Amino acid sequence: EVQLLESGGDSVQPGGSLRLSCAASGFAFSNYAMNWVRQAPGKGLEWISGISGSGGSTYYADSVKGRFTISRDSSKNTLYLQMNSLRADDTALYYCAKRLAEGGPNFDYWGQGALVTVSS
Amino acid sequence: QSALTQPASVSGSPGQSITISCTGTSVDVGGYNDVSWYQQHPGKAPKLMIYDVSYRPSGVSDRFSGSKSGNTASLTISGLQAEDEADYYCSSLRSSSTYVFGTGTMVTVL
Repeated sequence: EVQLLESGGDSVQPGGSLRLSCAASGFAFSNYAMNWVRQAPGKGLEWISGISGSGGSTYYADSVKGRFTISRDSSKNTLYLQMNSLRADDTALYYCAKRLAEGGPNFDYWGQGALVTVSS
Repeated sequence: QSALTQPASVSGSPGQSITISCTGTSVDVGGYNDVSWYQQHPGKAPKLMIYDVSYRPSGVSDRFSGSKSGNTASLTISGLQAEDEADYYCSSLRSSSTYVFGTGTMVTVL
């Protein structure tokens, strides 16, 4: 059974940093691209970052480029999101998602989400 | 990065069919056959319903179908059921290997 379990969500002050983790199990982790998608309270979904199965290619939305860094550790079957220079509009539930296949945004498994609150 | 445009809400009676539109541009919806649709119930993670415009993942009811014409993709739910009441989001590949979601549509079963 595929499972994705996010952790690391917390409340942080503007300008602060946080690292989210997503522990994966039940599939060949290194064979699949992984992504982070966030959802602000009461708002829609926003794709923010993706990484290839090998970790050699990374992609970011303009809203987080230069502030967030996605990475993965295949020895630990874990996906990460390092978030720096956090702003109030980064407040959201952060989901990690596994991509089904090459190409489009076909995310077939999602975690339960990690809540990040940025507030002074 | 602007979101794809969806109607805020769509409603229908049980047994009816409804269609949700998702309008983008030539750099996303119109440029690739990489459009997906997600269903999200309150407090739950999104669920993939359609990918690559019209393909259903294993386990998704065949009452859900997808299509695309030009810069607009569509999700049709036939034989509407109470359990279909949820938020629906489209998503597309955009140039430079990034993705974009739609604004979301609340489906109400009357």
